[in-house]
Amino acid sequence: SQELEQSPQSLIVQEGKNLTINCTSSKTLYGLYWYKQKYGEGLIFLMMLQKGGEEKSHEKITAKLDEKKQQSSLHITASQPSHAGIYLCGAAQNQAGTALIFGKGTTLSVSS
Amino acid sequence: GAGVSQSPSNKVTEKGKDVELRCDPISGHTALYWYRQSLGQGLEFLIYFQGNSAPDKSGLPSDRFSAERTGGSVSTLTIQRTQQEDSAVYLCASSLDRGFYNEQFFGPGTRLTVL
Repeated sequence: SQELEQSPQSLIVQEGKNLTINCTSSKTLYGLYWYKQKYGEGLIFLMMLQKGGEEKSHEKITAKLDEKKQQSSLHITASQPSHAGIYLCGAAQNQAGTALIFGKGTTLSVSS
Repeated sequence: GAGVSQSPSNKVTEKGKDVELRCDPISGHTALYWYRQSLGQGLEFLIYFQGNSAPDKSGLPSDRFSAERTGGSVSTLTIQRTQQEDSAVYLCASSLDRGFYNEQFFGPGTRLTVL
């Protein structure tokens, strides 16, 4: 079965610093989601990447999909305390996209 | 408009008891998903409903787990004879239609603790 591995597992950065989170799939990626979760809350959709080489940005968060490497990266520029939380990548296990699998998450803390 | 809602938000039960978790999807969303999030295990797919089609139960961990979706809207996840390893946050999500290209909107989850 497909697995998604996220790295790092946790990250502490100083406010204002840049950071990158990676998500690597053990099998072909049909597309990839990035979600953010805060403790006790549901998942908040960040962005969806559908094809290789695609790059999307929202405010200070940029995500890119590298189909050849079966990998996606999430980059945060000039981190703020509001960026703190758990970042999860999710991918479709098939082209129908009916069942997502998720990585175990990267916990981000931003110190001010 | 209203998002996905789940109830209860927290549930503490004794080992061996049955529990029911409820999910109210976003109105008009035909697809509904249940996931389980255990500490250190990430998010695990459990079951998927799409319209009137037979549900995809491939993620259910045992026959103690079952789910229904009545009238194509509200869904109930039932866990019979709960075990301590069932303790987790159970998340429900809905999407407008099936498929990867329809974003899944998640509820806040139900935190289940089995003593």
